Amino acid sequence: NAGVTQTPKFQVLKTGQSMTLQCAQDMNHNSMYWYRQDPGMGLRLIYYSASEGTTDKGEVPNGYNVSRLNKREFSLRLESAAPSQTSVYFCASIIGQYGNQPQHFGDGTRLSIL
Amino acid sequence: KNEVEQSPQNLTAQEGEFITINCSYSVGISALHWLQQHPGGGIVSLFMLSSGKKKHGRLIATINIQEKHSSLHITASHPRDSAVYICAVNIASLWGSQGNLIFGKGTKLSVKP
Repeated sequence: NAGVTQTPKFQVLKTGQSMTLQCAQDMNHNSMYWYRQDPGMGLRLIYYSASEGTTDKGEVPNGYNVSRLNKREFSLRLESAAPSQTSVYFCASIIGQYGNQPQHFGDGTRLSIL
Repeated sequence: KNEVEQSPQNLTAQEGEFITINCSYSVGISALHWLQQHPGGGIVSLFMLSSGKKKHGRLIATINIQEKHSSLHITASHPRDSAVYICAVNIASLWGSQGNLIFGKGTKLSVKP
């Protein structure tokens, strides 16, 4: 049982390039989340999806787009990467749509933008 | 203003010591989480609590709702406990987004043998 799988684990981009971070969970969870983690700051929510077919903005959505492809997969796209988007990105999921539940995290994607 | 504050930011302990990490929050919450981030980067959930106290092995988490404060204790600390410990809260009033978490900046713990 893999849990939450993120690909790639590492990526280096040039400013202006685009890429998609992939996230898949095999736990039949309804809600999925994308966070970024920067030095000296707590995890910040970029986008979330409470259920298949819905997505909502979090605290720091600018420069990103997301797709909830199906119940398993939630992707994060950088259309035109900027150095300020250098960060570690985490995907997470919970079983329900709402309410208090522990989140299950992927191992992260370390993204550097030159 | 940070809604979730942790202290200390960094903590170094000797193996066997009793460790306490604190978390204070300024908003109404429906639950508080303690997470552990390993040196390799992965994040795992340790506890979720909305009242009282929970214990798992050598880890104990407590919460005081009236004082808006939680503590994570580690008894008989070991070098393998070295990690970043993160406090996070579910805000009570945001209908449709109660699953969303607000995170503290983390406490980096290093346990020396």
